[in-house]
Parts: sequence; structure tokens; C-alpha cells
Amino acid sequence: EVQLVESGGGWVQPGRSLRLSCTASGFTFGDYAMSWFRQAPGKGLEWVGFIRRKPYGGTTEYAASVKGRFTISRDDSRSIAYLQMNSLKTEDTAVYYCTRDGSTMVRVAPVWWGQGTLVTVSS
Amino acid sequence: EIVLTQSPGTLSLSPGERATLSCRASQSVSSTYFAWYQQKPGQAPRLLIYGASSRATGTPDRFSGSGSGTDFTLTISRLEPEDFAVYYCQQYGSSPGYTFGQGTKLEIK
Repeated sequence: EVQLVESGGGWVQPGRSLRLSCTASGFTFGDYAMSWFRQAPGKGLEWVGFIRRKPYGGTTEYAASVKGRFTISRDDSRSIAYLQMNSLKTEDTAVYYCTRDGSTMVRVAPVWWGQGTLVTVSS
Repeated sequence: EIVLTQSPGTLSLSPGERATLSCRASQSVSSTYFAWYQQKPGQAPRLLIYGASSRATGTPDRFSGSGSGTDFTLTISRLEPEDFAVYYCQQYGSSPGYTFGQGTKLEIK
């Protein structure tokens, strides 16, 4: 069974950094792109970014709201995707979800989501 | 960037009734890359419909999706108690990533 488990969330002051992890199991991690989404308290869903598979360059794309501050990476040997968040702002407060995306360059609607990890940015 | 606008914001209905949720895009969206999600409090979103009209694995057949271009609809033929939740439309055809509507809350009348 596919499982995605996010970790690393917590409270952090504005301007500081935090790294989230998404540990995957139940599938061959290196065969899939991975995305991060977030949801501010009481708000809707927002895409954060994704990372392609290594055969497609392992390249990344980001939402404008986080570009230049957030970095997604992956360790296929450990089946983990990371979200490095720098220069955090209060508006980055949200539950962060990772998802398993497609195995080719064709975009898919994510089926598999983690349970989410809460990041609170506050002084 | 494509903006998705869902209506109504809140829909109050009774079990057994039919629900019609709408999503309008600011520009044409490929049906291939359009989806609907259900989210219950404290849970991750659950994919219901992809490709505008294809039910995801495990989605009951009382859920159906339709539409093309800029107007899409999610219909729930007969509401069950477990269907009361927030529903989001999503498009994933335009670069670079995914965009969502603001959500429709389906509540028990």
C-alpha cells in the first residue's frame, strides 16, 4: 500500500528556516514525481512545487509565492522528498502535504497524499 | 495564471437530495487535466474525479463530473451523510503546476 508520511513541521520564527521530509513506502519512489501542497488554517489548497524524476532531469517547479525561498529535493535511495523552507513568513503558516505524482512527463491529478504536517510561523 | 471560481460557496442540502457544484475557469482548460477533490475536516484531500469525468478508484457512482472549456460541474445524484464535506476543483494542464478553486462547502440542511 502506498504511504506518504510528512515530518519536520513545528513552530518557527519569521525569517528562519525549516526542512520538511516526506517518507514514502509501498512503491518504487524513484519512478514518480513528487509534489508539495499546503493549506493555511481554514483556507483552501495551494500548490507549492514539485520535483520530476531523475530520468527527466530531477528538475523542479515552484509556485510564485515560494519561488526563491523554498527548495524541493529528493533522495531516491531513501525514498524521501524534502521541502527546504527559508526566509519563512507568517503567511507560510499551513499544513503541508506531499503527494505522489505521475511516472512520466504527463501531468496527473495526485491520488496519494500524506496526512500533512503543520508549520506555524510566528514571533 | 488560470483562476478557478467555484459556486456556490456554501450549499445546504438534505440527505437524498441532488447536489450540483460548479467551477468556472478564467480561460479554457483541457478536460484531460481537470479534477475534483473532496476534503473532510482534519483529513487530506481525496481525489474523486479526474479528466473532468472519470471516477477515481473507489469513488461511488453517485458522483459524476462533466464540462469542458471554462465550465465544469460535479454532480452528486443522491446525497449520503458521508458526502457532506468541502469540494475543490483543480486544473493541472497549465504550467507550471496546479491551481485550485476556493472550495464549495456542502453542509447538511
